[in-house]
Amino acid sequence: DTEVTQTPKHLVMGMTNKKSLKCEQHMGHRAMYWYKQKAKKPPELMFVYSYEKLSINESVPSRFSPECPNSSLLNLHLHALQPEDSALYLCASSPGSGTSVNNEQFFGPGTRLTVL
Amino acid sequence: AQKVTQAQTEISVVEKEDVTLDCVYETRDTTYYLFWYKQPPSGELVFLIRRNSFDEQNEISGRYSWNFQKSTSSFNFTITASQVVDSAVYFCALFFLTNSGYALNFGKGTSLLVTP
Repeated sequence: DTEVTQTPKHLVMGMTNKKSLKCEQHMGHRAMYWYKQKAKKPPELMFVYSYEKLSINESVPSRFSPECPNSSLLNLHLHALQPEDSALYLCASSPGSGTSVNNEQFFGPGTRLTVL
Repeated sequence: AQKVTQAQTEISVVEKEDVTLDCVYETRDTTYYLFWYKQPPSGELVFLIRRNSFDEQNEISGRYSWNFQKSTSSFNFTITASQVVDSAVYFCALFFLTNSGYALNFGKGTSLLVTP
């Protein structure tokens, strides 16, 4: 299995809802990432997990809560989102971490989130 | 600053033309990695190439070629004999180590449209 999967593909939620995005990889990668991409913009890094520990949190609002239950799974819990949070949320994984040279990131197809 | 500049926002070519996408980067580090990703309309980011700062050898992969020039801090991407399927947004990205771990900074992307 050489891919990163993300569910759901599309999600529409109200501002009072609680939902979760899921990402999974079975490549044995040790680092996993969440990115947010607005239309016609580049992806922006949100969180990095390295060996299941949060290593980078790019000052993301607390209404986004990441979770890494194990090395293959990465969740993003959403609560009380705003319409401006509507975007494509991309998950990625990479083989190495720290100073490892195996740092190319493999991206999932993304979840397109709409907040009403 | 760790920064990537893709000055070309949109490029339109006719099929079979050659096209070069420019990428200029800024970094204080001596060890860094540069990437190119392709993002077709489906949304998934597809890894194209990784180049480390110690390897200035140019690379060719089929119709794709990359020209890495440290003297001008550029990592340009050329598609030879373009095809309609090459239509996508192409991102150049800089990968570098921070105090908290590593990060991938994307340029703003170049939207390439190849018409028949």
